Amino acid sequence: EIVLTQSPGTLSLSPGERATLSCRASQSVGSRYLAWYQQKPAQAPRLLIYGASTRATGIPDRFSGSGSGTDFTLTISRLEPEDFAVYYCQEYGSSATFGQGTKVEIK
Amino acid sequence: QVQLVESGGGLVKPGGSLRLSCASSGFTFSDFYMSWIRQAPGKGLEWVSYIRSSGDNIYYADSVKGRFTISRDNANNSVYLQLNSLRADDTAVYYCARGPFSRLQPYWGRGTLVTVSS
Repeated sequence: EIVLTQSPGTLSLSPGERATLSCRASQSVGSRYLAWYQQKPAQAPRLLIYGASTRATGIPDRFSGSGSGTDFTLTISRLEPEDFAVYYCQEYGSSATFGQGTKVEIK
Repeated sequence: QVQLVESGGGLVKPGGSLRLSCASSGFTFSDFYMSWIRQAPGKGLEWVSYIRSSGDNIYYADSVKGRFTISRDNANNSVYLQLNSLRADDTAVYYCARGPFSRLQPYWGRGTLVTVSS
């Protein structure tokens, strides 16, 4: 089973700053079956990125995904107030797992 | 557009049972694996189970193996999760999702809450 490790656990930033979130897999993620979700309190997770770099429908272009193999990154180019939330990565090509999450909080 | 709508959640006593349903529309249901994913209060996401379109490849998380059963009805575009021998730590929001193992965009429902308490 592929284990996903997200870092950092918490990211403290100010609106307008750039956020860089990491997701590292214990084995290579085949065919880039890697997704990123955003979750706010009392809401269902919202898909941001799938296929490692494809933005989901309606997702603003300040969100971007990159990486391959075992190292993946979600970048938020300029944080908006509504972007402060928890972010999860997900592998869905072999073992169907989630990372433990990164909380992006207001500094 | 793709829609997934869960139902069947509620309050149940420890040791009890529930059956969750997920009705889907907007895509060719029989072309996709379908999944159940859960999130306990204040915790992360856990992939509970998935089932292949033909029903011959099924996965269960170790935490639910032997207690939960996933099934699907391709004629009615629905997937189900039978929850037996429920425990307090099964309390969670249960989400239905399209996938895994597809390169197309994943979709999730809004979830249904299962509370196990005496």
